[in-house]
Amino acid sequence: SQQGEEDPQALSIQEGENATMNCSYKTSINNLQWYRQNSGRGLVHLILIRSNEREKHSGRLRVTLDTSKKSSSLLITASRAADTASYFCATDRGANNLFFGTGTRLTVIP
Amino acid sequence: DVKVTQSSRYLVKRTGEKVFLECVQDMDHENMFWYRQDPGLGLRLIYFSYDVKMKEKGDIPEGYSVSREKKERFSLILESASTNQTSMYLCASSFGQGAFTGYNSPLHFGNGTRLTVT
Repeated sequence: SQQGEEDPQALSIQEGENATMNCSYKTSINNLQWYRQNSGRGLVHLILIRSNEREKHSGRLRVTLDTSKKSSSLLITASRAADTASYFCATDRGANNLFFGTGTRLTVIP
Repeated sequence: DVKVTQSSRYLVKRTGEKVFLECVQDMDHENMFWYRQDPGLGLRLIYFSYDVKMKEKGDIPEGYSVSREKKERFSLILESASTNQTSMYLCASSFGQGAFTGYNSPLHFGNGTRLTVT
């Protein structure tokens, strides 16, 4: 499978702490995206990082990409209860199409 | 803001029924997708479309068909619903890039339709 695989499957932290999620994939990519899904809802795009980029920031989010290790990480700093959600990485599979991983379920305890 | 609207949030159908799931987007996106999401399996692509009247099979097209008669609307059809098609169905759209250029536009998702087949 060319799917991204997130690690850990579940993560529970206290509000204010940082949360780090990892994604590994198997084949070379052009870009990698991170999405968030609140319970029972659709996915929301968070950030896209291209294969020639190593790090990208968006607000409290920081994404890194290591193409030599075929891995990416998503860091959420100063987490809030509202960050409780599932987070998915997605890798391109050509022609505007994506492979999604199975997600990391993040719980932020107030 | 892009809005992707799925016609039903919850749907209960009987085995053997023909089921239509409707999806409409309001941003003139060329690409539209249907995924199903199951616990432990993540999102799996059923069908996608790059243009009106155009469709491509995804990873799990068996038992499904699609229709795209207008750019803004992409319908998923379960020809004869079965219990193993009980799932969360997610529609998405994205801006098209024409021939693949190595850049993917972000996907915009609807809120999903939770289908139960009994």
